[in-house]
Amino acid sequence: ELKVEQNPLFLSMQEGKNYTIYCNYSTTSDRLYWYRQDPGKSLESLFVLLSNGAVKQEGRLMASLDTKARLSTLHITAAVHDLSATYFCAVAENFGNEKLTFGTGTRLTIIP
Amino acid sequence: NAGVTQTPKFQVLKTGQSMTLQCAQDMNHEYMSWYRQDPGMGLRLIHYSVGAGITDQGEVPNGYNVSRSTTEDFPLRLLSAAPSQTSVYFCASSLTGPNTGELFFGEGSRLTVL
Repeated sequence: ELKVEQNPLFLSMQEGKNYTIYCNYSTTSDRLYWYRQDPGKSLESLFVLLSNGAVKQEGRLMASLDTKARLSTLHITAAVHDLSATYFCAVAENFGNEKLTFGTGTRLTIIP
Repeated sequence: NAGVTQTPKFQVLKTGQSMTLQCAQDMNHEYMSWYRQDPGMGLRLIHYSVGAGITDQGEVPNGYNVSRSTTEDFPLRLLSAAPSQTSVYFCASSLTGPNTGELFFGEGSRLTVL
């Protein structure tokens, strides 16, 4: 059974600082997704990572995937208040499995 | 472009009542799925479908039924609601499935079972 773990679960950081959210998973996969969720809202797709070594960047967010280590990171550069949200990673197993397994999420709060 | 549409957005049920959460997408996506979201547990897959006439169970299928008679619609049925089914439910769709493409989510349906 695929397990997806995120850490930290909660993160408070000051504006302007850098930080990294980690996503570990337990089985072979090279399909990983990052989503953002604002309170009371739906999930918004941030990044799609479909190969080992994939790196995607959008504004102050950068995501990477290391399939050998079974690890993805979401790096936040010079955080701003608008980035406050809950971030989820989600992993699809290889070889035809159609199930997407989510991590428990990281609630990020940016403090002015 | 409507995307993924869920109804109702809010619902309160009494234990033992039945109801159907509706999900429709207008993107001609083959893959559709239902998740429930509970505090501290992320999203858990209930059922999914890779095309019309095909459904399969996810991680937490007990107490829920689905059907996929058309490409556009994927309703989720609660036959006899229980307080443990109090949750926020999300429908999501994808062109080809999570192995090759991202999921697009509906706005969610908040269900309370008393």
